[in-house]
Amino acid sequence: AQSVDQPDAHVTLSEGASLELRCSYSYSAAPYLFWYVQYPGQSLQFLLKYITGDTVVKGTKGFEAEFRKSNSSFNLKKSPAHWSDSAKYFCALEGQGTGSKLSFGKGAKLTVSP
Amino acid sequence: EAAVTQSPRNKVTVTGGNVTLSCRQTNSHNYMYWYRQDTGHGLRLIHYSYGAGNLQIGDVPDGYKATRTTQEDFFLLLELASPSQTSLYFCASSGGAQDTQYFGPGTRLLVL
Repeated sequence: AQSVDQPDAHVTLSEGASLELRCSYSYSAAPYLFWYVQYPGQSLQFLLKYITGDTVVKGTKGFEAEFRKSNSSFNLKKSPAHWSDSAKYFCALEGQGTGSKLSFGKGAKLTVSP
Repeated sequence: EAAVTQSPRNKVTVTGGNVTLSCRQTNSHNYMYWYRQDTGHGLRLIHYSYGAGNLQIGDVPDGYKATRTTQEDFFLLLELASPSQTSLYFCASSGGAQDTQYFGPGTRLLVL
């Protein structure tokens, strides 16, 4: 079985601060991990993914994430945050041999105040 | 840029009604997916497909059927709609394992 947990449903911070959205996963083998973003009223857009190799991956819009096998985490980071980063962020896991089937976390709504 | 379109964008039906949601992708992707998004649940996979004529069961398939008629077209069928199926439905496509999924704009369904 595979699952993803995003423990912070709502995150609020001020523009210019550093943001970190937490994601933890449960999976018995090496996971493939993704972050997607959903702006208000829009669909989901891909941000970045970890497949193998370098544990720090860089994505679009200035975001990066670090894969930590030791504590089963894949946290999303950006510094500084901008008001336009306000959106809902989803972490997702693809298990090996699952035919690209993704399991999503419940999402974290980020509000960045100007 | 990947292109996934969905129709209709909004749909209202009554309990027991018959609804078909359509999805088309022009990415030449083999994989297509149907998700529902509900507050407090994130995205949940309903059905997915590896190619024309193929259908795989997702995590929340009850009450839904799906059909993949061509590489481009994937349909989600609700034959006896219930209020619990009121949701925002997303279609997505990808090239396969480890690949990015590209999402359509969504269909908002209300079952009265």
